[in-house]
Parts: sequence; C-alpha cells; structure tokens
Amino acid sequence: AQKVTQAQTEISVVEKEDVTLDCVYETRDTTYYLFWYKQPPSGELVFLIRRNSFDEQNEISGRYSWNFQKSTSSFNFTITASQVVDSAVYFCALSERYSGNTPLVFGKGTRLSVIA
Amino acid sequence: EAQVTQNPRYLITVTGKKLTVTCSQNMNHEYMSWYRQDPGLGLRQIYYSMNVEVTDKGDVPEGYKVSRKEKRNFPLILESPSPNQTSLYFCASKPTGEANQPQHFGDGTRLSIL
Repeated sequence: AQKVTQAQTEISVVEKEDVTLDCVYETRDTTYYLFWYKQPPSGELVFLIRRNSFDEQNEISGRYSWNFQKSTSSFNFTITASQVVDSAVYFCALSERYSGNTPLVFGKGTRLSVIA
Repeated sequence: EAQVTQNPRYLITVTGKKLTVTCSQNMNHEYMSWYRQDPGLGLRQIYYSMNVEVTDKGDVPEGYKVSRKEKRNFPLILESPSPNQTSLYFCASKPTGEANQPQHFGDGTRLSIL
C-alpha cells in the first residue's frame, strides 16, 4: 500500500535561514507521481510541484528546490533564504498510476514557521 | 478564472441536521474528489467521481454521500451529521483520472457539528 511520511511535524527557522522539509514514501508501483502542496494560514491548498518516478532530475524554482532520490524513496523540499511568507503547512503527496481511482495520498504535513 | 468553488466556507450545525456542501468547477474536469483534513492525520479521500454518474468510495466514506449529475458539480451530503465529522473539507478536480495530473483544490469548508 502507498504511504507518505513527513517525520517533521513542526519546524521553526529564523528568516533568511535555509530549511529542508523531508518526505519519504512507500509504493509498490514502478510508475508513480510525487507532489508538494502548500497550505498557508488562509487555509487553501496550493500546488507547488509534481515529479514523475522515472525522472530523478532535481528541480529549482527561485528559492525552492526539490531533491528526488528513488534509492532512498525520498522527495525532499528545500527553501533557501526563507521568508516570513513561507510560513505554512507543507504536504507531500503520492499518486500511483493504475486504472481506476488515483487519489492523492498525503503525508501528515510539516508546519513551517519563519520568524522575522 | 479557473477555479473550484465550495460553499459554504464555514458552517456550525447540530447533530442529525442534514447538510450539503456544494462543489463546482469551471474547468470541464472529469475527475472530482472530496477530502477531509484532520489534525495529525493529513488529508484523506472521502469519495471520488471519474465522470458524470460514476462515483465511488475513497478511504473514509462512512457517513457521507455524493452525487454527480452534472460534470461541473459534485456535492457532498451529510445525511445525519455527527460530531466526529467536524473537520476541514476540500473538494478537488483534475482533467481526467490519470495519476500524473495535479488536483486543483477549492478553498475548503470548515464544518463544526455540535
């Protein structure tokens, strides 16, 4: 069965520090997709990135970067030079490729607090 | 603007009083889904729909009903709400049932059942 573990429940950093949010997943499928979502204090869920299981290239988008390693079943998210606006709950999620329902299986989330 | 719209955003009600949370998307998406978010549990899928008139249970369907009579609408029905259904609910949609597509989420509905 698929499972996503975000071991860090809460993290606090001072503004401008770098921070890495960990995500470890379990799946029996060889083709799957990993996602990160951000939930700011206003409550909505904002899609950040999708990664395919067959593409292990790391990705950088501004201050955000993602490190995908199939060997360790991890898909970690790093924010460089954090800002107060980065304060949110971040969810890692997994979706397997098979016919029928393709739900997002979410981790329990990591609450990031960036202190000015 | 492409969006998923949920109503109401907030609701406080009492045990046993039937309620419906509406969800509408304007992106012509085939796949729609409901999730609930609870502290320490993340988000869990309640029901999903692959297309009009095609619905099925997710991981936590007990106490909920859904219908999909039109492509754009996917209401969540609580026939006899109970306090353990107090939660934050999200409706989501994506173009088809393919796993590689990110889901677009509504802004959430916070339900309190007293």
